Amino acid sequence: DAGVTQSPTHLIKTRGQQVTLRCSPKSGHDTVSWYQQALGQGPQFIFQYYEEEERQRGNFPDRFSGHQFPNYSSELNVNALLLGDSALYLCASSSETAWNTEAFFGQGTRLTVV
Amino acid sequence: ELKVEQNPLFLSMQEGKNYTIYCNYSTTSDRLYWYRQDPGKSLESLFVLLSNGAVKQEGRLMASLDTKARLSTLHITAAVHDLSATYFCAVVPGGDKLIFGTGTRLQVFP
Repeated sequence: DAGVTQSPTHLIKTRGQQVTLRCSPKSGHDTVSWYQQALGQGPQFIFQYYEEEERQRGNFPDRFSGHQFPNYSSELNVNALLLGDSALYLCASSSETAWNTEAFFGQGTRLTVV
Repeated sequence: ELKVEQNPLFLSMQEGKNYTIYCNYSTTSDRLYWYRQDPGKSLESLFVLLSNGAVKQEGRLMASLDTKARLSTLHITAAVHDLSATYFCAVVPGGDKLIFGTGTRLQVFP
């Protein structure tokens, strides 16, 4: 089992550009959550997808959007990038039917906006 | 406003010593997680605590949960250098989203 995989691992973008990050959940998991972790801080919840719908959303602007595909994989899109969007973006997968078990995190995508 | 506070924020300890990291949270939570993060790396799950009084141990780490006090502790026994990392607690106030604490950066020296 490959666990949660994210791509790319590193990315450099210019202010104003758009970026797409990708996540494949752990086998058997159907729920994907995205987190932003700025340097020196704890991860902040962006949103969660289940059954191809956004189920919960954190305090992030509409520039942050996402999608979940029928195979449960997910994308995070960020438009009009700002310098402050530079962070480690983490994807976590879990199972809706096993709510009380751990959420597994991918290795993350390090986004740098210049 | 939901707050998840950890203390200390930074801990420098000598190998062989014991110490406890505290996690206080301001709302009810279905469960509480502890994660470890090495520099530049992702989050590694350590413990999931599901009920009041839950205690779990793995190697030199032991976690406990007091839901009435809204407090969890992560106890380190006879620290070794390999435990150097940042430790986060996280609560689940509703739905499945995790709200993380501020993190405790642990440094173990000889």
